[in-house]
Amino acid sequence: DIQMTQSPSSVSASVGDRVTITCQASQDIGDWLAWYQQQPGKGPKLLIYAAANLQSGVPSRFTGSGSGTSFTLTISSLQPEDSAAYYCQQAKTFPPTFGQGTRLEIK
Amino acid sequence: EVQVVESGGGLIQPGGSLRLSCAPSGFNVSGSYMSWVRQAPGKGLQWVSGIYSSGRTYYGGFVKGRFTISRDSSRNTISLQMDSLRVDDTAVYFCARVYQPGWYFDLWGRGALVSVSS
Repeated sequence: DIQMTQSPSSVSASVGDRVTITCQASQDIGDWLAWYQQQPGKGPKLLIYAAANLQSGVPSRFTGSGSGTSFTLTISSLQPEDSAAYYCQQAKTFPPTFGQGTRLEIK
Repeated sequence: EVQVVESGGGLIQPGGSLRLSCAPSGFNVSGSYMSWVRQAPGKGLQWVSGIYSSGRTYYGGFVKGRFTISRDSSRNTISLQMDSLRVDDTAVYFCARVYQPGWYFDLWGRGALVSVSS
């Protein structure tokens, strides 16, 4: 299985800050990568697919980039509602696998 | 509103069986790829099983023949039959719609909690 490694595991930032989360794949996955946001007690929400494509309805302050084995999710101008866990997921090969998650706290 | 709702979770003893159901609204399961993804308490996400619109099924390696995913087009539901449950199967099980191309998941339910304990 392809291993996905996220960093940092947790981050704390203030409203208006810019935050970057990284995701490393254990092998080349091209641009077959998604990012999800999970609020407590809810199912995940798809933010980004194909590494850089914004899912419909997702605010433009979320951007994804990268290809191959290295990817980033950037949240510009943090909002209070962005407090959540974020997961990357590879969709290149079966089984689809997820990173361990990054917990984002708003100061 | 387009959504999926899971049901059937509960407390079960090790070695027991449980059947989860997923009831979508706003779309037909027969024309969709669907999956189950689980999340152990305080942990990350783990893909469990998937079913193509063709009916072809896939499972995570840890399942080892214990789980069966199925579709009932007449009721527009997806099910996950879980047998020989183990303590480490304890998790919230999410039903998710697959967003093609690629196995992205664009619609998730709130999940059903399965607790395996003696």
